[in-house]
Amino acid sequence: EVQLEQSGAEVKKPGATVKISCKVSGYIFTNYYLHWVQQAPGKGLEWMGVVDPENGETKYAENFQGRVTITADTSTERAYLELSSLRSEDTAVYYCATYSVYCTTTNCHHALDKWGQGTLVTVSS
Amino acid sequence: EIVMTQSPATLSVSPGERATLSCRASQSITNKLAWFQQKPGQGPRLLIYGASTRATGIPARFSGSGSGTEFTLTISSLQSEDFAVYYCQQYDNWPRGTFGGGTKVEIK
Repeated sequence: EVQLEQSGAEVKKPGATVKISCKVSGYIFTNYYLHWVQQAPGKGLEWMGVVDPENGETKYAENFQGRVTITADTSTERAYLELSSLRSEDTAVYYCATYSVYCTTTNCHHALDKWGQGTLVTVSS
Repeated sequence: EIVMTQSPATLSVSPGERATLSCRASQSITNKLAWFQQKPGQGPRLLIYGASTRATGIPARFSGSGSGTEFTLTISSLQSEDFAVYYCQQYDNWPRGTFGGGTKVEIK
């Protein structure tokens, strides 16, 4: 069974850096990208970025470029989300997620069907 | 960046009625679209991928349609457990993916 287990809640002061983790099990870690999604209180889902655990390559959303770092440790099968220069607007639940691939004769679909339980990060002075 | 716009923001529907939710992409994404359901305090749940294919275990009352820039999620007969927030997500520029702002389906 595929599981994504995230680290616990964090409370940080403005300007600080937070690093949260996502431990995967039940599949080959290096075979699938690992995504991070932000959800502020009462707000929608915002895609933050993704890491390819096989080679460490990353892609980030424009809104987070420069403040976010996503990494993967193949020895521990953990992915990490680091967000710096925290401000109150970063108070949110952060989810890690991975996907399944469904291919037809014409194309393939990558559907985010496996999600962690979420990690609440609170930024407060 | 591909921008996804959902409408309406809130949809008030009586149990047993049909709900129709819309999602528009800022450029063509062919059929690289997924729909998710999220209930309070829970993570997102995949409903639909490829614009119209139900994920494993999703009831047949959920259906998706559309291609290019215009997409629709239809819930044919709303059950009590369907009142939730629904999000669309494009993955045409995989591995990037952007979500719409969401539609809240509430009890009328």
